[in-house]
Amino acid sequence: DIVMTQSPDSLAVSLGERATINCKSSQSVLYSSNNKNYLAWYQQKPGQPPKLLIYWASTRESGVPDRFSGSGSGTDFTLTISGLQAEDVAVYYCQQYYVTPLTFGGGTKVEIK
Amino acid sequence: QLQLQESGPGLVKPSETLSLTCTVSGGSVTSSSYFWGWIRQPPGKGLEWIGSIYFSGSTYYNASLKSRVTISVDTSKNQFSLRLSSVTAADTAVYFCARCPVITAAMGRGWFDPWGQGTLVTVSS
Repeated sequence: DIVMTQSPDSLAVSLGERATINCKSSQSVLYSSNNKNYLAWYQQKPGQPPKLLIYWASTRESGVPDRFSGSGSGTDFTLTISGLQAEDVAVYYCQQYYVTPLTFGGGTKVEIK
Repeated sequence: QLQLQESGPGLVKPSETLSLTCTVSGGSVTSSSYFWGWIRQPPGKGLEWIGSIYFSGSTYYNASLKSRVTISVDTSKNQFSLRLSSVTAADTAVYFCARCPVITAAMGRGWFDPWGQGTLVTVSS
C-alpha cells in the first residue's frame, strides 16, 4: 500500500497569511505515460463530508477559490492557502489514486492564530 | 446537481452485518463516466477507502477489508450498497458514499466528488 504522510499535524496561521501543508507518498504517484501525478486534496469542516479541492496534484476543482493551489511531483506535494480566510478553518487531506487501495493522508488541521 | 444520501441502521451488534445504501439523485449510477465508492472515517480519525463499483458490477475492494465487504449496485433504484460482515467495534465510523470519475487506464481509481453527508454506524451490543 502507498502510505501518505502529511505534515504538520496542525498549524495556526494568521488571517491573510499563507498556510502550507505537505504530503509525502511512500512511492511515486507520477504516471510516466501521461506525466500526471495521481494525487488529490480535500477540505473537511466539522460535521461535513470532505470537499474536493484539487486533483491531478494541481488542477483546482470548479468553484474552489484561487487562493488554494497544489504543487509537487513524484512523492512530495504541497497544498498552499494564500491569504487564509476564516472559512478555511478545516482539516485537509491528501489522497493518492495511483494504485488501489486508494489511500489518504492522516490530515492537517488548520486553525486561526 | 448530483446528490448522494446514505441510509441504514445506525447501530449494529458485534459479529453481525452492517448494511448501508447510497441513493443517487440528479444523476445516474449507470453513467459510464463514473465509479461509485464507499469511504469510512472512525470518530476523530482519518479516511479509509472501502471499495468502489462500476454500473456493470465490476468491483474494487480494499484488501484489508475484502474478505468482509460486498458492494453492489441496483440500477433500477439508482442506488449502490455496502455490506460489511462480522463487524467489531473497530468498524464504528461515519460511512460516506461518493462518486469517482473513470480515468483511462486506471479503472477503479480516482478522486471522490461529490460525497454524501455520511452516516454514523456504531457497533455495540
